[in-house]
Amino acid sequence: ETGVTQSPTHLIKTRGQQVTLRCSSQSGHNTVSWYQQALGQGPQFIFQYYREEENGRGNFPPRFSGLQFPNYSSELNVNALELDDSALYLCASSNTGQGDLIEAFFGQGTRLTVV
Amino acid sequence: SQQGEEDPQALSIQEGENATMNCSYKTSINNLQWYRQNSGRGLVHLILIRSNEREKHSGRLRVTLDTSKKSSSLLITASRAADTASYFCATDAKQGAQKLVFGQGTRLTINP
Repeated sequence: ETGVTQSPTHLIKTRGQQVTLRCSSQSGHNTVSWYQQALGQGPQFIFQYYREEENGRGNFPPRFSGLQFPNYSSELNVNALELDDSALYLCASSNTGQGDLIEAFFGQGTRLTVV
Repeated sequence: SQQGEEDPQALSIQEGENATMNCSYKTSINNLQWYRQNSGRGLVHLILIRSNEREKHSGRLRVTLDTSKKSSSLLITASRAADTASYFCATDAKQGAQKLVFGQGTRLTINP
């Protein structure tokens, strides 16, 4: 077990709705990253939060947004859901220091299905 | 976009045999990490190798890194049925956002 927990584990939403996914980072970690993994593909970087601020973003539209809280937990929000948003959403916890990314530890993911 | 490519895309071997997976990437890196994923669940961190390291061992795992060729390999020795999973390499670039860039993965099947 990595100590990174995500909720919920599964979710079904209707196209056009909004969804919030949650992640609790591993104790002692200050950085949370979110990834989207479509079926049969590798994970794709959505964005990263460090000290409650966005610290890098991948090629995802603004309807993907996030938050990091003082306890380093994080939320991923997706507005105006589209069918292509159906995927496994993974949260990764790490401890950023000296500009070097150390090991990232992943949660079990949230399987989002948009119908 | 995917930074790297894993080779082969799928590998099927008999239990007890060794499994070798390769990963190539495109840009200069700080580190390269290997992950395992079982049946669409979360990624399990296996091993990290830094750009100034050439080889690293962890139990039955052996990872090599050749920065001149921008490639890495993961060797699993004495494979077991429980090793059946998808394996991904992930790199973090020397510049830009501190993100992991994954390849498409190798699906490994260990036959009893």
